Amino acid sequence: AQKVTQAQTEISVVEKEDVTLDCVYETRDTTYYLFWYKQPPSGELVFLIRRNSFDEQNEISGRYSWNFQKSTSSFNFTITASQVVDSAVYFCALSEDTNAGKSTFGDGTTLTVKP
Amino acid sequence: NAGVTQTPKFRILKIGQSMTLQCTQDMNHNYMYWYRQDPGMGLKLIYYSVGAGITDKGEVPNGYNVSRSTTEDFPLRLELAAPSQTSVYFCASSYEDSSMGEQFFGPGTRLTVL
Repeated sequence: AQKVTQAQTEISVVEKEDVTLDCVYETRDTTYYLFWYKQPPSGELVFLIRRNSFDEQNEISGRYSWNFQKSTSSFNFTITASQVVDSAVYFCALSEDTNAGKSTFGDGTTLTVKP
Repeated sequence: NAGVTQTPKFRILKIGQSMTLQCTQDMNHNYMYWYRQDPGMGLKLIYYSVGAGITDKGEVPNGYNVSRSTTEDFPLRLELAAPSQTSVYFCASSYEDSSMGEQFFGPGTRLTVL
């Protein structure tokens, strides 16, 4: 069975600090996909990134970066020089290739960035 | 494109009442999903559909029903509302199945059952 754990329930930082959100997953499949979504206070969910299990290259997009490590089953998300607009709930999700259509989401990490 | 739209945005039901949550997408996506989000929790998959006429259960289907008569619409039916169904409901769609494609989410429906 697939499982996603986001151990950090809430994180609070001051603007311009760097922050890393942890995501640990469990799966028996060799082919799977990992996602990060952002849910700002307005409530909508916004896709941030998708990673497949065969691509362990780290990715950087502006102030956002993702570190995928199969050895530790982790897919961590780092925000560099955080801003108040980064305040949101961030969800990590997993989809197995053999379980297409069924995504499992973590419980989310609430990030608060204070000015 | 409007993307994924959901109606209503808010609803209060009494125990035992029924209602349908509407979901429509205009992106010609084959895959559609219904999730519920309880306070402080992640999303739980209720039902999903891989195309018109085809639906399947997710993680928490009890108390709900769905239909998919067209590519655009994927309504979620609550037959006998219970307080445990108080939640925020999100509809989503994707071009590919959720193991590959990003999902586009609607704005959500906040349902309270009293």
